[in-house]
Amino acid sequence: EAGVAQSPRYKIIEKRQSVAFWCNPISGHATLYWYQQILGQGPKLLIQFQNNGVVDDSQLPKDRFSAERLKGVDSTLKIQPAKLEDSAVYLCASSRGQEVGYTFGSGTRLTVV
Amino acid sequence: KQEVTQIPAALSVPEGENLVLNCSFTDSAIYNLQWFRQDPGKGLTSLLLIQSSQREQTSGRLNASLDKSSGRSTLYIAASQPGDSATYLCAVTQGAQKLVFGQGTRLTINP
Repeated sequence: EAGVAQSPRYKIIEKRQSVAFWCNPISGHATLYWYQQILGQGPKLLIQFQNNGVVDDSQLPKDRFSAERLKGVDSTLKIQPAKLEDSAVYLCASSRGQEVGYTFGSGTRLTVV
Repeated sequence: KQEVTQIPAALSVPEGENLVLNCSFTDSAIYNLQWFRQDPGKGLTSLLLIQSSQREQTSGRLNASLDKSSGRSTLYIAASQPGDSATYLCAVTQGAQKLVFGQGTRLTINP
């Protein structure tokens, strides 16, 4: 089966600019996650979708971050305006059930200068 | 709140040695535990998934164990090779399919 697709792979923006990341999960996977991984740390959950509904967005900085999963398939994560501390790798993952685990995409490395 | 800790943070060993990476978690109410590998600048690759009812899983030179009652898991790598150099992350799944990660162990295998 095809993996989790993410784009772009890299992005460099200036602070206060906006940026968007795209994720296409594995076909049939109802659950989709966005994680933020700062250099040297483990991934931190930003938002979890079940189909097109939000299950958990408790750690999403909602004043600047937003995410949507229209039609319950692919998803977009947006940052507006970006801050220097948003520099990180943004990982998308999907799952069809906790009994089979999770599959991660290659991530998008964001650098805010 | 679930907390996952991995020790050591970094490990360097000569090629051919067997080694153990440790993972501990504070809340034993988990559905499963998964070990991932992450190469520099890359995403996460799943290595082993252990369900809460299982004690261990094996894949090639890798063996992962789970002791849910004590909140511990280990990843055993036999006959290490330079290609095993990477960061290894463990993560536990809790209610509503929420995955909580440790900080990772950065492993270097020296030829």
